[in-house]
Amino acid sequence: EVQLVESGGGLVKPGGSLRLSCAASGFTFSSYSMNWVRQAPGKGLEWVSSISSSSSYIYYADSVKGRFTISRDNAKNSLYLQMNSLRAEDTAVYYCAKAEGWIDPWGQGTLVTVSS
Amino acid sequence: DIQMTQSPSTLSASVGDRVTITCRASQSISSWLAWYQQKPGKAPKLLIYKASSLESGVPSRFSGSGSGTEFTLTISSLQPDDFATYYCQQYNSYPITFGQGTRLEIK
Repeated sequence: EVQLVESGGGLVKPGGSLRLSCAASGFTFSSYSMNWVRQAPGKGLEWVSSISSSSSYIYYADSVKGRFTISRDNAKNSLYLQMNSLRAEDTAVYYCAKAEGWIDPWGQGTLVTVSS
Repeated sequence: DIQMTQSPSTLSASVGDRVTITCRASQSISSWLAWYQQKPGKAPKLLIYKASSLESGVPSRFSGSGSGTEFTLTISSLQPDDFATYYCQQYNSYPITFGQGTRLEIK
């Protein structure tokens, strides 16, 4: 069974940093691109970033470019999102998800709250 | 960036109804479109990929159609479990973009 488990969310002050992690199991992690997608409270889905299987190709939404960094460790079956210079508008549930163009499956999400 | 526009934003329907949700892309995305169902407090669930391919385990009352810029998600006979929010997503090019969502509520 494919499982994606996010961790690392929490409360952080504006301008602060946070690192999200996603532990993957049940599939050959090193063969797939991975995504981070977020959802602000009561709002729709927003794609954040994608990374190819070997980390050769990385993409970011304009809203996070220059502040967030996606990375992966295929030996540890893990995906990461380093978030710096956080803003109130970054408050959201962050989902880790396997990518084949379409996004499936999704983790359960981790809540990031940016507030003073 | 490719903009995805769903209609309607909210849809009221009854159990047994046939419902259709439309998703329009601001430029052609061929068939690179997926549909998701999301219930409150839960992660989205993939229903349809490549515009019309049904994900394994998804009931056959769900179907997708379209290509280019206009797409539809149809539920042939609404069941109580289907009341949720539905999103379309294009994966033709980066940035990946989602529609704003369609909330399907009980009439």
